[in-house]
Amino acid sequence: LAKTTQPISMDSYEGQEVNITCSHNNIATNDYITWYQQFPSQGPRFIIQGYKTKVTNEVASLFIPADRKSSTLSLPRVSLSDTAVYYCLVGSGDMRFGAGTRLTVKP
Amino acid sequence: EAGVTQSPTHLIKTRGQQATLRCSPISGHTSVYWYQQALGLGLQFLLWYDEGEERNRGNFPPRFSGRQFPNYSSELNVNALELEDSALYLCASSTVDRGFAYEQYFGPGTRLTVT
Repeated sequence: LAKTTQPISMDSYEGQEVNITCSHNNIATNDYITWYQQFPSQGPRFIIQGYKTKVTNEVASLFIPADRKSSTLSLPRVSLSDTAVYYCLVGSGDMRFGAGTRLTVKP
Repeated sequence: EAGVTQSPTHLIKTRGQQATLRCSPISGHTSVYWYQQALGLGLQFLLWYDEGEERNRGNFPPRFSGRQFPNYSSELNVNALELEDSALYLCASSTVDRGFAYEQYFGPGTRLTVT
């Protein structure tokens, strides 16, 4: 299982774009990259998944360079309600959640 | 469409007892995953079931066990409860296609308290 490294915490302000980068140097050829969001006392919520280049949905974008050794989750115009822990996972099935990135959005 | 459901919401047990937690996956999902999240800590992978078979288990003692039923619902059993088993237990489900498990959808969790 590929190990991931992401910042422990980040601060931002309402209305700003937030980019959270995850490193996964030993990603396997058939591994996908998936991001989840978790609020306190709730289960994680799927945000976005990608394999290469760029993926965009209604809540976020995921940028993956050609070597796939890192990925960046981009949250446009964050609000206070985006304050949460964000997890980057690589692989399929029995994925192992790391500590995640605790994003705090300030007014 | 109904999401992943878990029961009970809360469970209080005493040390040494057994706990049984239940999970119903999203309709059409064949894989069920169990995670433990102690207060303030990250998610620890417990078990993965797909099509009734255990696919993998995390680094937990054998007193943590489970099974998946023909309707894909699942049960997690924790025997000989210890105080440190107190945690939020999360169940997730996903579809699997030719060995690839897609994104997981999580239930609300069961809060287990061991006194």
